[in-house]
Amino acid sequence: GAVVSQHPSWVICKSGTSVKIECRSLDFQATTMFWYRQFPKQSLMLMATSNEGSKATYEQGVEKDKFLINHASLTLSTLTVTSAHPEDSSFYICSAPTSGRVYEQFFGPGTRLTVL
Amino acid sequence: GENVEQHPSTLSVQEGDSAVIKCTYSDSASNYFPWYKQELGKRPQLIIDIRSNVGEKKDQRIAVTLNKTAKHFSLHITETQPEDSAVYFCAASGAAGNKLTFGGGTRVLVKP
Repeated sequence: GAVVSQHPSWVICKSGTSVKIECRSLDFQATTMFWYRQFPKQSLMLMATSNEGSKATYEQGVEKDKFLINHASLTLSTLTVTSAHPEDSSFYICSAPTSGRVYEQFFGPGTRLTVL
Repeated sequence: GENVEQHPSTLSVQEGDSAVIKCTYSDSASNYFPWYKQELGKRPQLIIDIRSNVGEKKDQRIAVTLNKTAKHFSLHITETQPEDSAVYFCAASGAAGNKLTFGGGTRVLVKP
């Protein structure tokens, strides 16, 4: 149990376009999901906390108008990278805690974004 | 906010030897400390975790120790094997279901 999926697993886009990444909890409900970004050979950096039915909470330095987060249901959160640029190329990973094992986070498989 | 420091950044050990990775955290309110193993291009995989009401936890070749007074925790891997080669991250969280703050990572290489 406690499976998180992401779609797509990789995406290549042109500079200036927008890209949407989906994060789904497959067998549990997630009122909260977290979005991380990981550059090559670096750690995971939290971008924002996605809250079902309310606005996301962004970490300091993360542009909320560039990284749009929508948590429309208890099983789906989306991250849209708007007007993507090459410096946005990164590995984006979502995670969610469950109600059963409240401390553990379950991670999605990640999405590799390459902006040309 | 929370700040987690992790050392060393790289660690090379001979197969069969032990590996130790250390982390310190800044927020005394943090009470959950997981360790993750990440292989290239994959999601972080939880290998062991510890909560603040416990000082030590062991799972086969892996153990974690926590010193809340000093605000540091460590990962110990004994009898290392080549398949232990990966990047390891420590993290800290302040409450159930709360966000994780990650350390900078340790690249472990186990030489046959």
